[in-house]
Amino acid sequence: GAGVSQSPSNKVTEKGKDVELRCDPISGHTALYWYRQSLGQGLEFLIYFQGNSAPDKSGLPSDRFSAERTGGSVSTLTIQRTQQEDSAVYLCASSLGASSPLHFGNGTRLTVT
Amino acid sequence: EDQVTQSPEALRLQEGESSSLNCSYTVSGLRGLFWYRQDPGKGPEFLFTLYSAGEEKEKERLKATLTKKESFLHITAPKPEDSATYLCAVQPPDSNYQLIWGAGTKLIIKP
Repeated sequence: GAGVSQSPSNKVTEKGKDVELRCDPISGHTALYWYRQSLGQGLEFLIYFQGNSAPDKSGLPSDRFSAERTGGSVSTLTIQRTQQEDSAVYLCASSLGASSPLHFGNGTRLTVT
Repeated sequence: EDQVTQSPEALRLQEGESSSLNCSYTVSGLRGLFWYRQDPGKGPEFLFTLYSAGEEKEKERLKATLTKKESFLHITAPKPEDSATYLCAVQPPDSNYQLIWGAGTKLIIKP
């Protein structure tokens, strides 16, 4: 079946612009995660959605970052007024439940110039 | 602070040369330890989950083991296609979904 799909795969933007990153999880997966991956570092947790519960936004690094998940499926991560330090690979993952293995998309590589 | 440390950062082996990757953690009473494989330009791919000390899991040339403070990923007679970055993640006891990730070990198998 189809895996987790992320778009765009690459995004180059100018400092100060807003960007939207999209994630289509595996059908039937109730849990959805956003992570940020920088070179030489472990995955950094950003946000977690589980069904209709309130999301855990504790990992969002600043109020420039926001995410939503519509209809329990597609999720969008928005970064406003991008900064150079936002450059990284943004990974989305979904799972059947909270403690189940994660299925990752191939990420969006964001470059802020 | 809970931490996950992977070593070495990078490992170069000849094809057929067996070795082990290490994942050590400071989390007490973890819920689970996960191993993932990540190829360049791809997202991590799930390999194993381990839950308790003494547990072992195997898949092809890979075997994962767990003690109270660390996990090993043993690679037996590796092939060039085993080249990838291997990531370890620990689920702490106080969370149903949070994972603490190591920085990974980049494995290169030379033919």
